[in-house]
Amino acid sequence: GQQLNQSPQSMFIQEGEDVSMNCTSSSIFNTWLWYKQDPGEGPVLLIALYKAGELTSNGRLTAQFGITRKDSFLNISASIPSDVGIYFCFGAGNMLTFGGGTRLMVKP
Amino acid sequence: SQTIHQWPATLVQPVGSPLSLECTVEGTSNPNLYWYRQAAGRGLQLLFYSVGIGQISSEVPQNLSASRPQDRQFILSSKKLLLSDSGFYLCAWGADQKETQYFGPGTRLLVL
Repeated sequence: GQQLNQSPQSMFIQEGEDVSMNCTSSSIFNTWLWYKQDPGEGPVLLIALYKAGELTSNGRLTAQFGITRKDSFLNISASIPSDVGIYFCFGAGNMLTFGGGTRLMVKP
Repeated sequence: SQTIHQWPATLVQPVGSPLSLECTVEGTSNPNLYWYRQAAGRGLQLLFYSVGIGQISSEVPQNLSASRPQDRQFILSSKKLLLSDSGFYLCAWGADQKETQYFGPGTRLLVL
């Protein structure tokens, strides 16, 4: 089946830093979605990508649909404390698949 | 605007007992509906999806079942719960062919 490799699995952020995460696969997808999940809540849709090469922004968030249709990245600029949470990529192709998540935490 | 509800929010059940989780969507018609399970600290696993009343597709064989008795109602059931059924159950809806999904608040199930 289709597998999504999301990296990094976790990372510490300091306020003001830029953050980058990505998802890759050996399979082709027609849709890439990025979600954020806070503890005990359902995932919230951040950005939806429907076309290869598409670059979309939502405030400080920017995501791209890879030109090969096998990958996508999400960037967060100038991170703030409320960016903490788990970010998931989602790919829709022959199957519907979530990445394993990237957990953002604040540097102590 | 569309809203999605899940009930109950939390549930503690003994092993071997039955289960019924409910998901309802408002503000749209003929949505695609999905059930996911999320183990603690893990990703989401698609369990079932439905593109219409009475139509259910199962992604993972298990002791769970799903039903869609009404257009905007999706139910997740089990006749006998296992310890491994514990987790966070999420319902989602989608309204287009591009598979964009919107999630409910989830139900946390603990099987003891």
